[in-house]
Parts: sequence; C-alpha cells; structure tokens
Amino acid sequence: EAGVAQSPRYKIIEKRQSVAFWCNPISGHATLYWYQQILGQGPKLLIQFQNNGVVDDSQLPKDRFSAERLKGVDSTLKIQPAKLEDSAVYLCASSLVGSQDTEAFFGQGTRLTVV
Amino acid sequence: KNEVEQSPQNLTAQEGEFITINCSYSVGISALHWLQQHPGGGIVSLFMLSSGKKKHGRLIATINIQEKHSSLHITASHPRDSAVYICAPGGGADGLTFGKGTHLIIQP
Repeated sequence: EAGVAQSPRYKIIEKRQSVAFWCNPISGHATLYWYQQILGQGPKLLIQFQNNGVVDDSQLPKDRFSAERLKGVDSTLKIQPAKLEDSAVYLCASSLVGSQDTEAFFGQGTRLTVV
Repeated sequence: KNEVEQSPQNLTAQEGEFITINCSYSVGISALHWLQQHPGGGIVSLFMLSSGKKKHGRLIATINIQEKHSSLHITASHPRDSAVYICAPGGGADGLTFGKGTHLIIQP
C-alpha cells in the first residue's frame, strides 16, 4: 500500500516569499490533516479536511496560510507571505474515516526554512 | 483541549536495556497513537490502540483508558531505536493531540 506522499521534502525561502506544499493521501482516505511541527515541539494541527470540506481550521493563521483539497483527494497548503517563525516541518496525514479509532498515516513531511 | 504529558522528555540508555516511555492525558479518548519520528521529520505510526496491550516485534504498547495513561516499552533496545517517540491521543473529528515527545538515544 502506497503511503502518504508529500513534496517537496525541503524548501528554503526568504521571508515575505510564498511557498506551497503538496500532499497526496492514501487512496480512499477521507480525512486529511496538515500539521506544523516547530523544532522541539509536538505537531500542531493546522487544518483537517473530511473529503473536500474543512472540519477544523481553528489554529490556521488565515491571514497568511491557506489550504485546499479539491476533489477530496490531493491537498495543498500555502503560506503567503512567509515569516521567520514559519520555519518548521509541515506534516500531512490521512485516515480512512474521521473517527477516533481509525489509524492515521503520516507523510515524510516538508522541512521549511525561512531566512 | 487534551493536555498530554510524556515522560521522560529525554532518555539515554545502553544497548539491550528495557525502555519505558509513559504518556498521560487529561481528556478521555477511545484511541491513542504511538508515533516514531526520526531526524528529518518523517513520522511513522507504531501503534494505534483502544484497550489493553499490543505487541509488534520488540515494541509493546499498553493503555488504560480509565486511568488515561499509556506506556510504550522497547525490549532489547538497539541504537536504531534512537528516535523521538510521540504519544497522540484522540483522532477523528477532534484531531490528534500530540505530546512533546521523548527523545531516546540508545548507545552501543
């Protein structure tokens, strides 16, 4: 079974530039999560999709972050403009359904460095 | 909001030692993930458990739903077990809540 695919793996940008991350979840997984993990901390949920609808985006800094999941499959997360404090690993995860007892699968993450 | 506490935060042990990592959380949940994160950021789900105990190779995970506590054990630890181990209760519509992780180093 193919896992969650993310790209790029690494990205370095200057502050105020824009950046986009892509996630392809496991086929058939209805729930998709984007997490931000700052060095030394646990991942923080940015946004959760159920199919192509948003379930939770309460911690997404909407003035600069946006995410979409067109057609309920792939998802993109965009930052515009980036700030130094956005340097982190951005993780995508998916699960079959959005219930607690469904296992989540994680991608390798995209390591973003804002300079 | 589920408050998650993991202990220890850092652990250095010798190869072959028995390792225990503990996780306590504040809000009742029906399932909990144990995750492993290697340098570079990739996260692998080790276990998802709702009750009792699960075993996979040298890894054992236990959970007590009533006491809101889970443990991850590594038997016969090996340097390749060196990683960050993260406890993540919950999931589904409430999303996963993550502990800060336990940084484990196994020395040869």
